[in-house]
Amino acid sequence: DTEVTQTPKHLVMGMTNKKSLKCEQHMGHRAMYWYKQKAKKPPELMFVYSYEKLSINESVPSRFSPECPNSSLLNLHLHALQPEDSALYLCASSQVGTGAYEQYFGPGTRLTVT
Amino acid sequence: ILNVEQSPQSLHVQEGDSTNFTCSFPSSNFYALHWYRWETAKSPEALFVMTLNGDEKKKGRISATLNTKEGYSYLYIKGSQPEDSATYLCAWPNAGGTSYGKLTFGQGTILTVHP
Repeated sequence: DTEVTQTPKHLVMGMTNKKSLKCEQHMGHRAMYWYKQKAKKPPELMFVYSYEKLSINESVPSRFSPECPNSSLLNLHLHALQPEDSALYLCASSQVGTGAYEQYFGPGTRLTVT
Repeated sequence: ILNVEQSPQSLHVQEGDSTNFTCSFPSSNFYALHWYRWETAKSPEALFVMTLNGDEKKKGRISATLNTKEGYSYLYIKGSQPEDSATYLCAWPNAGGTSYGKLTFGQGTILTVHP
């Protein structure tokens, strides 16, 4: 199974709401990633987890809070977002290594902040 | 600041045409170069991860070459089909490969193949 699943597919939330995005993989990958993609731009890395520990935070605002409860699951908790946070949020996973392993991506969650 | 550049930004070809596009990346501290295909409403899908200078990889009608000394990679599609229509992204892992697969993506080349 080489699939990375993400839920929900679409999410509309107000600026005062709290919501969570979920990502799951069963490939035994111990590196998991969150990316943000705005229209007509490439994906931008937000967070990297390695062996369930946060290893990279790309100076992401604290209104985004990642969590990796186990080796198969990755969550992104959202609170007090701004309209400019509207984007496609992609999850990916890979073997832990030095950048030479391909990443497997989910289909993304399309987030709209109103 | 890493600079990964792709050209052209978009490309329209006819079915059956062969085409190619370019990814340029910093040639110092090279570790690997990734190519991904991203079809609309689908997940980005890895095509190749290239690590050796002079490497050439092939998957069906798609192939890629790598020149690490001059910092570029070419992606070739032979006999393009409408199903090849997608955005093709190259990505460069952080220098030294110590950042667990931190990828910097190029802007992508949008390929449209007309029947």
